[in-house]
Amino acid sequence: DAGITQSPRHKVTETGTPVTLRCHQTENHRYMYWYRQDPGHGLRLIHYSYGVKDTDKGEVSDGYSVSRSKTEDFLLTLESATSSQTSVYFCAIHGGMNTEAFFGQGTRLTVV
Amino acid sequence: DAKTTQPTSMDCAEGRAANLPCNHSTISGNEYVYWYRQIHSQGPQYIIHGLKNNETNEMASLIITEDRKSSTLILPHATLRDTAVYYCIVRVAGSTYTGTASKLTFGTGTRLQVTL
Repeated sequence: DAGITQSPRHKVTETGTPVTLRCHQTENHRYMYWYRQDPGHGLRLIHYSYGVKDTDKGEVSDGYSVSRSKTEDFLLTLESATSSQTSVYFCAIHGGMNTEAFFGQGTRLTVV
Repeated sequence: DAKTTQPTSMDCAEGRAANLPCNHSTISGNEYVYWYRQIHSQGPQYIIHGLKNNETNEMASLIITEDRKSSTLILPHATLRDTAVYYCIVRVAGSTYTGTASKLTFGTGTRLQVTL
């Protein structure tokens, strides 16, 4: 299995609090992604990174920010969590465009 | 990236071949077709990919039409454990990309239900 770890795996937080999810990889892959998945929906891209300090917005980026200060870590921050951000969050890594992506096990976030 | 269209859901009897279609009529000559699947609430898992020729691995076969506008993922002997959501995506070939070219987006996929 590819070396990709998400933390925490589960989190319950209150509305209005900041939350940071971490994606850590040991594969030295260049590309990293954050997705959210809600019941009955596919994976929706939040933010992605194509190198250290190189990030960009996906299709559902409002309310989220990211940082990538080193190759192995990609952090997703909810500045002020809302109930609509209750979801399962997946991180993915990708070594190059002709290779497959590997996904983390997911983080289940509940905002109450 | 070219857009893909997949049926929302399909059923397949255990032991039979599952044939999952994908339409990618706007695919470019340098775009690969990739298939992933997501079992229950796990992270998606890579299955197979191809450019022009048909491909086969231990999990599945990928048949791409000659005009490359559609493809079919074949699970030769489906089992209950193959029940999952299957995603077809297309990706531009190349070794490195920056900016929006490095996006990796998924559609809603096909929910395959394998039954006894």
